[in-house]
Amino acid sequence: QSVLTQPPSASGTPGQRVTISCSGSSSNIESNTVSWYQQLPKTAPKLLIYSSDERPSGVPDRFSGSKSGTSASLAISGLQSEDEGDYYCAVWDDSLKGYVFGTGTTVTVL
Amino acid sequence: EVQLVESGGGLVKPGGSLRLSCAASGFPFSGYCMNWVRQAPGKGLEWVSSISFTSKYIYNSDSVKGRFTISRDNAKNSLYLQMNGLRAEDTALYYCTRSSGIGNYSSDYWGQGTLVTVSS
Repeated sequence: QSVLTQPPSASGTPGQRVTISCSGSSSNIESNTVSWYQQLPKTAPKLLIYSSDERPSGVPDRFSGSKSGTSASLAISGLQSEDEGDYYCAVWDDSLKGYVFGTGTTVTVL
Repeated sequence: EVQLVESGGGLVKPGGSLRLSCAASGFPFSGYCMNWVRQAPGKGLEWVSSISFTSKYIYNSDSVKGRFTISRDNAKNSLYLQMNGLRAEDTALYYCTRSSGIGNYSSDYWGQGTLVTVSS
């Protein structure tokens, strides 16, 4: 059972904005920056956001991240069919002295 | 082009051992920390272990502590995971990833994974 909680699913129509939350605690999200990973069907995960709100080169600016207190969020604006997949938040936990992934959110484009 | 290619997965009986390897290319291997992340069939991602540039620092998840050992050979551009005392719950696709530091550093490149199945 992960220490980072995400909603199991999120959905939207093409062009809509979808937001995914990641709830943690003072020993992880509040203390450290958050990363987000995208895993498209049958592929390896890909880094989407690092340092809570930074995008690696090549990641469209439709993806944005934010953090406040013990929670973080990933927003996908202008939702596209190719965005369908699983999304995971991740952060170092100072108490566990380990890297933890969120429970994962499956995004569906209606 | 950065490449991470895992190998060594397979079917092993409970209590058995397996050694995973990850061959890295396309970047200065010794300049990056390396990690193993696994994903059980139909489940989410789980961090397993991390090793720093010169192997000075190693972190392991509680679920594998005392059973799995991460190591690296910078001369061979290779990362390893020695897995002993395997259990059914270790069945997963094991990914090799790189990060610019150890601890709270994201994995910017991932391999395609190698499948480990623990079953009698």
